[in-house]
Amino acid sequence: AQSVSQHNHHVILSEAASLELGCNYSYGGTVNLFWYVQYPGQHLQLLLKYFSGDPLVKGIKGFEAEFIKSKFSFNLRKPSVQWSDTAEYFCAVGNTGGFKTIFGAGTRLFVKA
Amino acid sequence: DTAVSQTPKYLVTQMGNDKSIKCEQNLGHDTMYWYKQDSKKFLKIMFSYNNKELIINETVPNRFSPKSPDKAHLNLHINSLELGDSAVYFCASSQGTSDEQYFGPGTRLTVT
Repeated sequence: AQSVSQHNHHVILSEAASLELGCNYSYGGTVNLFWYVQYPGQHLQLLLKYFSGDPLVKGIKGFEAEFIKSKFSFNLRKPSVQWSDTAEYFCAVGNTGGFKTIFGAGTRLFVKA
Repeated sequence: DTAVSQTPKYLVTQMGNDKSIKCEQNLGHDTMYWYKQDSKKFLKIMFSYNNKELIINETVPNRFSPKSPDKAHLNLHINSLELGDSAVYFCASSQGTSDEQYFGPGTRLTVT
């Protein structure tokens, strides 16, 4: 069965620190990969997505993610976080042509000003 | 122009009542979803409709019944509400079943 694992449930960083959030999935076929962000009190919004092509994907607000097929991973990175990046981050995996996109449990990021 | 809208935004009700949450999307998408997000922010899919046909029906009590009158609407009716139903319910839509999803603002349901 398809599954998505986010390793860090809570992350606390100071402003300007670098961020890397891990995401691993289990599915042997072709996948579509997503990172969503949920700011406090708001709905989920897409940060970036990967369908095919360059495995290094750039998204909004300076975020990027790298798809490493051999490791079944799609880690999210940002070189320098800001206080406004405080939010919940969700990794999601959909199998191409399938019916379901699976969301990870989420990682809560708190950035200290 | 709100892409995915939900009503109501807040819903406070007593145990045993029946309530509905409405969702509408104006993106022309063919797939719509209902998710439940608990207090720990865990996001669980409940239902998915593609072209008005139910394609995902996760392990959800049959007190929950989705209805899709057309491709732009997916409503959720809940019978005999229980305390454990308290959560934020998100509607979402996508074009196809594996593309990015657009989420509504959520409905915070509190059952007392």
